[in-house]
Amino acid sequence: EIVLTQSPGTLSLSPGDRATLSCRASQSVDNNYLAWYQQEPGQAPRLLIYSASNRASDIPDRFTGSGSGTDFTLTINRLEPADFAVYYCQQFGTTPYSFGQGTKLEIK
Amino acid sequence: EVQLLESGGGLIKPGGSLRLSCVGSGYTFDNYGMSWVRQAPGKGLEWVAGISGSGDSTYYAASVKGRFVTSRDNSKNTLYLQMNNLRVEDTALYYCGKGRFYGSSGGEVRAWGQGTLVTVSS
Repeated sequence: EIVLTQSPGTLSLSPGDRATLSCRASQSVDNNYLAWYQQEPGQAPRLLIYSASNRASDIPDRFTGSGSGTDFTLTINRLEPADFAVYYCQQFGTTPYSFGQGTKLEIK
Repeated sequence: EVQLLESGGGLIKPGGSLRLSCVGSGYTFDNYGMSWVRQAPGKGLEWVAGISGSGDSTYYAASVKGRFVTSRDNSKNTLYLQMNNLRVEDTALYYCGKGRFYGSSGGEVRAWGQGTLVTVSS
């Protein structure tokens, strides 16, 4: 089973800042099948990025996914108030699929 | 618009069984693999199980393998999760999710239901 480790656990930033979130896999993710999700309190997650770098529908270009193999990054430029939430990475290259433990992006 | 509606959650004693359902609408149901994802109170997401579009292939997390079974009835646009021998640690909000692919578990979850709460307690 592939274990995903996200860092940092909590990231404290201000609106307008840039956020950089990391997701490291215990082994290479097949086909770079790595997704990022955003979850606001009390809501279901929302897909942001799939296959490491492809934005999902209606996701603004402030959100950028990058990386390959075992190291992946989600960058959020010009943070807006609605961006402060929890972010999860997920690998879907190998079953069982797995999620990282999450990064909480909080307002500084 | 894609919609997923879960049902079947509730309070159950340890060792008991429960069946969750998820009805999909707004898309061709049998064209896509599906996943079950759970979230314990205050915790992160955990992928639980997945199924291909045809239902011929199923996949499970180690934590539920041998206890949970996922299936689908494409004639009813419905996904199921049969949960047996439930444990306290299975307490969570259970989401169903629509994938992007037909095969495997469908890949990333493109659409989510709102979840159904399962509480395992004596």
